[in-house]
Amino acid sequence: AQSVAQPEDQVNVAEGNPLTVKCTYSVSGNPYLFWYVQYPNRGLQFLLKYITGDNLVKGSYGFEAEFNKSQTSFHLKKPSALVSDSALYFCALGYSSASKIIFGSGTRLSIRP
Amino acid sequence: SAVISQKPSRDICQRGTSLTIQCQVDSQVTMMFWYRQQPGQSLTLIATANQGSEATYESGFVIDKFPISRPNLTFSTLTVSNMSPEDSSIYLCSVETGGSPYEQYFGPGTRLTVT
Repeated sequence: AQSVAQPEDQVNVAEGNPLTVKCTYSVSGNPYLFWYVQYPNRGLQFLLKYITGDNLVKGSYGFEAEFNKSQTSFHLKKPSALVSDSALYFCALGYSSASKIIFGSGTRLSIRP
Repeated sequence: SAVISQKPSRDICQRGTSLTIQCQVDSQVTMMFWYRQQPGQSLTLIATANQGSEATYESGFVIDKFPISRPNLTFSTLTVSNMSPEDSSIYLCSVETGGSPYEQYFGPGTRLTVT
């Protein structure tokens, strides 16, 4: 069965340091993977996607994600964190012919000045 | 991408009443989705709404509780019926624009509190 996991409820990083938010998945067939961000009192914003091609995917706001098939992971990264990156991040997996996606449990990213 | 609006943005409702949430998209889309995000939780798909057909509900959600309309390719409504405090959540609509498989864009959400 398909699933997506975010093993960390919270990630704390100092401003200017690199950040990583972890995501692992399980699916039969080719994975379609996404990252979304949710700021307080706002909807989800699309950050980036992996469909096929290069394992390193670049997205909005300087974020990138690395697809690793052998480790079934799709970790979100940013070389230098900003305080404004503080938000709730969701990894998502496309899994059915009906265009459905399932979401991970979310990771709260906190960037301290 | 698509620009999606929802009304109302938030509401406080009494137990036993119903609330209809509207979702408007700035372009024609085939597939629209309704999600629920309970406090501190992830998103759970309620149903898929395609224009011209009945909505398809996920396990644990039924039409009597969450009736959905999809009268055209830019609009949908979700009604939360006979509300209880357990229905307090953020309700989000999303659309698949056809750019890539499974790529969805979300509205700002409706924050519902049931007292």
